[in-house]
Amino acid sequence: GQQLNQSPQSMFIQEGEDVSMNCTSSSIFNTWLWYKQDPGEGPVLLIALYKAGELTSNGRLTAQFGITRKDSFLNISASIPSDVGIYFCAGRGSGGSNYKLTFGKGTLLTVNP
Amino acid sequence: DAGITQSPRHKVTETGTPVTLRCHQTENHRYMYWYRQDPGHGLRLIHYSYGVKDTDKGEVSDGYSVSRSKTEDFLLTLESATSSQTSVYFCAISEPQGTGNEQYFGPGTRLTVT
Repeated sequence: GQQLNQSPQSMFIQEGEDVSMNCTSSSIFNTWLWYKQDPGEGPVLLIALYKAGELTSNGRLTAQFGITRKDSFLNISASIPSDVGIYFCAGRGSGGSNYKLTFGKGTLLTVNP
Repeated sequence: DAGITQSPRHKVTETGTPVTLRCHQTENHRYMYWYRQDPGHGLRLIHYSYGVKDTDKGEVSDGYSVSRSKTEDFLLTLESATSSQTSVYFCAISEPQGTGNEQYFGPGTRLTVT
């Protein structure tokens, strides 16, 4: 089946620093989604991308749908303590009415005040 | 926030007992999903539903069954719980349009099988 490789697995940064993480796939995806999960809660959708090359922002977060359709990137600018959590990418592959998503294993972000 | 609730939020049960987890939505979304989340594995799809009484298996469906008798409710049943089913279970909903499939997650159920 389709697999997503998400990196890095974890990051330790200082407050105020910028953060970058990415997901890559061996197959093409039609949709890329980025989620954040706080401890003890469900993932929350941050950004959705639908077109190759698309660049979308949500506050300090910016995500891009790779031109090859096999990767996506998430950047967080000027990190703050509440950015702490696990960030997941998810992709929907091609194929008719298949609405299932494939998830990366997550990037654990720690922000030191 | 999407109107999704899960019950119970926490449960401890013994090996061999049946367990049913409930997901309830108020968004009238057509698709509903059950995932389990385990360290090192991320989110894995157990079963999903694309309408009332319409369900299909995900990648880790063995030992689980589901039912959807109403649009708003999706039940996950462990017929005979095993320790390997100790996990955090998440329900998600979506209303796919075109190429999109934004899924919205519930708060999760932490299940411990002793």
